[in-house]
Amino acid sequence: DTAVSQTPKYLVTQMGNDKSIKCEQNLGHDTMYWYKQDSKKFLKIMFSYNNKELIINETVPNRFSPKSPDKAHLNLHINSLELGDSAVYFCASSPSRTGYNEQFFGPGTRLTVL
Amino acid sequence: DAKTTQPPSMDCAEGRAANLPCNHSTISGNEYVYWYRQIHSQGPQYIIHGLKNNETNEMASLIITEDRKSSTLILPHATLRDTAVYYCIVRVAFRSGANNLFFGTGTRLTVIP
Repeated sequence: DTAVSQTPKYLVTQMGNDKSIKCEQNLGHDTMYWYKQDSKKFLKIMFSYNNKELIINETVPNRFSPKSPDKAHLNLHINSLELGDSAVYFCASSPSRTGYNEQFFGPGTRLTVL
Repeated sequence: DAKTTQPPSMDCAEGRAANLPCNHSTISGNEYVYWYRQIHSQGPQYIIHGLKNNETNEMASLIITEDRKSSTLILPHATLRDTAVYYCIVRVAFRSGANNLFFGTGTRLTVIP
């Protein structure tokens, strides 16, 4: 069984469009995250959610909005897509917000903005 | 969080031990050392973490120097499937409101047949 899953795996779209990436975890974890990995392979935290509460919001444009309908899902909505948004987006989850728990990552969604 | 320094790349013969170093000279007393790896086109995978004692699990061993300014991840018998980028991350545990991981550039380990 897949622990952390993301859909779609690939997403190709035009500039200016609005798109969503879905993430689901079946681990019963309390906290979920979104990371962005750019073309230089740098992996950076974007958001995290704990029990439907946004607890981290790094310097990310407000065109990006995470939405969590329940503890098992954290979707990423992106409005007015720009060329620079092209990257691989990874979802992750961990058992708790604080502490030394490991994070479990999904397989990634490769977003290409044309 | 303390910064880490890792060599950009390393090679290791299949079946031999792979020793990946990490310097974290500015680490503070409440910061843990984590290791993750990312196999090509996959999400990062947790390997191991430690505070000051050496740690071992089914994947690897983590050796932390007594002054905690550096550590070594050891893969005892490297296989071709261990070819990946390995990230050493230092962060505070139990810090309210944050459990984010800051990934650096990592070490690209290539296991050679």
